[in-house]
Amino acid sequence: GESVGLHLPTLSVQEGDNSIINCAYSNSASDYFIWYKQESGKGPQFIIDIRSNMDKRQGQRVTVLLNKTVKHLSLQIAATQPGDSAVYFCAENIGGGSYIPTFGRGTSLIVHP
Amino acid sequence: DGGITQSPKYLFRKEGQNVTLSCEQNLNHDAMYWYRQDPGQGLRLIYYSQIVNDFQKGDIAEGYSVSREKKESFPLTVTSAQKNPTAFYLCASSILQGTTEAFFGQGTRLTVV
Repeated sequence: GESVGLHLPTLSVQEGDNSIINCAYSNSASDYFIWYKQESGKGPQFIIDIRSNMDKRQGQRVTVLLNKTVKHLSLQIAATQPGDSAVYFCAENIGGGSYIPTFGRGTSLIVHP
Repeated sequence: DGGITQSPKYLFRKEGQNVTLSCEQNLNHDAMYWYRQDPGQGLRLIYYSQIVNDFQKGDIAEGYSVSREKKESFPLTVTSAQKNPTAFYLCASSILQGTTEAFFGQGTRLTVV
């Protein structure tokens, strides 16, 4: 089964609102997490990452929060724009050196103007 | 420019035929991966390779084959044994150390006609 999953398959928001996309992981040995954005018909692109020794990391309009106690990861997008409409995936890397990106089903973010 | 290139973007195959999808990278990455994506689904790992002349099966390797004769190239053959080959195929590469993202190509959409 999948060790990385997402709670909601679709999230609809209004332009300007903040968006929160959630991800649960099951492997407590995972030490590195990445969020990817996939636009329709394209390959996923890196958004932001976080290591297990951090709880929070901020980028431009995006923040990733990591709660290792409950094995939960979230991606917050501030002031969501129509260009943010895409499918968002989280991926985990299990510590030990053999890095095989493992993806969940993804969340489709729909931003209404 | 450095990157990862997949070709062709669209591919049509008759039932019973083998087809080969190309993936080339000039990022000097040791690791390369092939994923399959079905509509509304996440990315499922088909094969991966961490060194030239070596590769490993992923979660859904049946009906597929790969080769890694050069560091830059990791072609995927979809054989006639693959029962449901219509899908979006994504190739990715990364360095071997764990705390780095994977870089994706733009994908090949394969349709069986």
